[in-house]
Amino acid sequence: GAVVSQHPSWVICKSGTSVKIECRSLDFQATTMFWYRQFPKQSLMLMATSNEGSKATYEQGVEKDKFLINHASLTLSTLTVTSAHPEDSSFYICSARGRGGPFQETQYFGPGTRLLVL
Amino acid sequence: GNSVTQMEGPVTLSEEAFLTINCTYTATGYPSLFWYVQYPGEGLQLLLKATKADDKGSNKGFEATYRKETTSFHLEKGSVQVSDSAVYFCASSTGTASKLTFGTGTRLQVTL
Repeated sequence: GAVVSQHPSWVICKSGTSVKIECRSLDFQATTMFWYRQFPKQSLMLMATSNEGSKATYEQGVEKDKFLINHASLTLSTLTVTSAHPEDSSFYICSARGRGGPFQETQYFGPGTRLLVL
Repeated sequence: GNSVTQMEGPVTLSEEAFLTINCTYTATGYPSLFWYVQYPGEGLQLLLKATKADDKGSNKGFEATYRKETTSFHLEKGSVQVSDSAVYFCASSTGTASKLTFGTGTRLQVTL
């Protein structure tokens, strides 16, 4: 089955620093990747959609200069939280969609990255 | 726009009880419908899906039928186990962008 990994799974950083989260599709080519944010006991909020080789499309209210997304290859997308602050602490989840058949119809989710900003 | 409404939780059941988690949707066009499960501390896993009316998705004893007439996709399981304790998300997607619209999630707690 389709596997999506995220790294790191946990990160603690100081306020003002930047943090990069990687999302990789391990056994399929991800033409589209999605980044979500999940607050405790709440649903997922879509932050942005990125297509390989193109600029990400951000959802309304998401600061693109704060949450930098790069989708440079068909297996890797990165989310960089710049100048992180405590309010950025959250669970960040990526998903990936590929070409053809089930890979095109379904998003496959990574295990998530928990960010804690002190 | 699209929206998904799920029954609020938490739902607490005894092991071997019957489970129903209601989900209804509104959408332009004909969405694909999904149930995702999130175990504690983990990301979402696709549980089952249906892409057209009257389709039944099933996996691990869970079932859901795409009902166009009632715009519903209720999740059912005949006999739950403690290991089924998790948060269940109903979702829909339409169009070429296939962005998922999630419900708020329903927490299921199964006790012995």
